[in-house]
Amino acid sequence: AQTVTQSQPEMSVQEAETVTLSCTYDTSESDYYLFWYKQPPSRQMILVIRQEAYKQQNATENRFSVNFQKAAKSFSLKISDSQLGDAAMYFCAYRRRMIQGAQKLVFGQGTRLTINP
Amino acid sequence: DGGITQSPKYLFRKEGQNVTLSCEQNLNHDAMYWYRQDPGQGLRLIYYSQIVNDFQKGDIAEGYSVSREKKESFPLTVTSAQKNPTAFYLCASSSPSGTPDNSPLPFGNGTRLTVT
Repeated sequence: AQTVTQSQPEMSVQEAETVTLSCTYDTSESDYYLFWYKQPPSRQMILVIRQEAYKQQNATENRFSVNFQKAAKSFSLKISDSQLGDAAMYFCAYRRRMIQGAQKLVFGQGTRLTINP
Repeated sequence: DGGITQSPKYLFRKEGQNVTLSCEQNLNHDAMYWYRQDPGQGLRLIYYSQIVNDFQKGDIAEGYSVSREKKESFPLTVTSAQKNPTAFYLCASSSPSGTPDNSPLPFGNGTRLTVT
């Protein structure tokens, strides 16, 4: 079974600084997707960024980027120029690549990110 | 606007009572999912359904039941057999066909269930 591990229960960063959240996963599959979701105090789940395992290039979305190391099964999230609105719970998630069928996500335990003004 | 609606936002029940959480989607998605969120444990899959009148257990199905009589609806019943029912419950949906399969699952806004 696939597992996702986030080893940092809490992180904090000064506003405008850069922070990196860690995620490792375990799978025997070669083709899959990885996601970072953000959950603010409203508890809504918001997609931050996604990565296809077959792509070597790291995904970027504005201030958010990932460091995807497939051999090491590592998928870290870097947030540049941190803003107060980035404060939230962040979840790393894994999903097998499937042509059809249920797209079950496996989540890590989450990292609570605090932004200090 | 298309989306997933979960109701109610907060739900309170006495121990020993069954309670049903509602999840409705108007995205025309085939598959629907229920996740449970506890502090420090992330989201865990309870049940999922790929098509109407069919559903499968997820990782923590004990003490829960579901039905899928309509494509739009996937209610979750938390039974008295669930030992620790107090949690935040999230519903999601997906369409296996016709959309990029790297698309993220849309989630509802969740239901916070408190059992005392």
